[in-house]
Amino acid sequence: DAGVTQSPTHLIKTRGQQVTLRCSPKSGHDTVSWYQQALGQGPQFIFQYYEEEERQRGNFPDRFSGHQFPNYSSELNVNALLLGDSALYLCASSLTSGWDEQFFGPGTRLTVL
Amino acid sequence: GDSVTQMEGPVTLSEEAFLTINCTYTATGYPSLFWYVQYPGEGLQLLLKATKADDKGSNKGFEATYRKETTSFHLEKGSVQVSDSAVYFCALSERNRDDKIIFGKGTRLHILP
Repeated sequence: DAGVTQSPTHLIKTRGQQVTLRCSPKSGHDTVSWYQQALGQGPQFIFQYYEEEERQRGNFPDRFSGHQFPNYSSELNVNALLLGDSALYLCASSLTSGWDEQFFGPGTRLTVL
Repeated sequence: GDSVTQMEGPVTLSEEAFLTINCTYTATGYPSLFWYVQYPGEGLQLLLKATKADDKGSNKGFEATYRKETTSFHLEKGSVQVSDSAVYFCALSERNRDDKIIFGKGTRLHILP
């Protein structure tokens, strides 16, 4: 079992651009959550997807959107990138919505110049 | 709103020393409390949890007790090893409210041989 995988590993974009990050959940998991982790900070919850719908959302603007596919994989899209969007983006998968059931991926490091 | 406050790091200890990492929280309801760990180069993983007052979570020699009267969930280990070097995050969630998870900023732990 490959666990949770994310792509790409690193990404460099410029302000105003759009970015798409991808996540494949652990085998058997149907729920995917996304987090933003700024340098020196803890992860901040962006949103959670289940059955291809956004189930919960944190305090992030509409520039952050997502999608879940029938195979449970997920994408995070960020439009109109700002310098402050530079962070490590973590994906976590679980079989339920329970926070103690999450398995995290290694993350995608996004740098906005 | 809900919040989690952790002691700032880095914390540097010698092998076999006693470890305490302080965590206090603010919540309006009855949250579940978690400790996550992030080893170098790896994804975040759940270390232990407690779901109600006076519960003690334990794993890999680490313990934390849910103290409602002091709103604390301090992480302890009696004898640390070099392999315990990592970043530790305290977190809470309130399932009966908006069911989001909130992380502290993390505490980096260095164990010297």
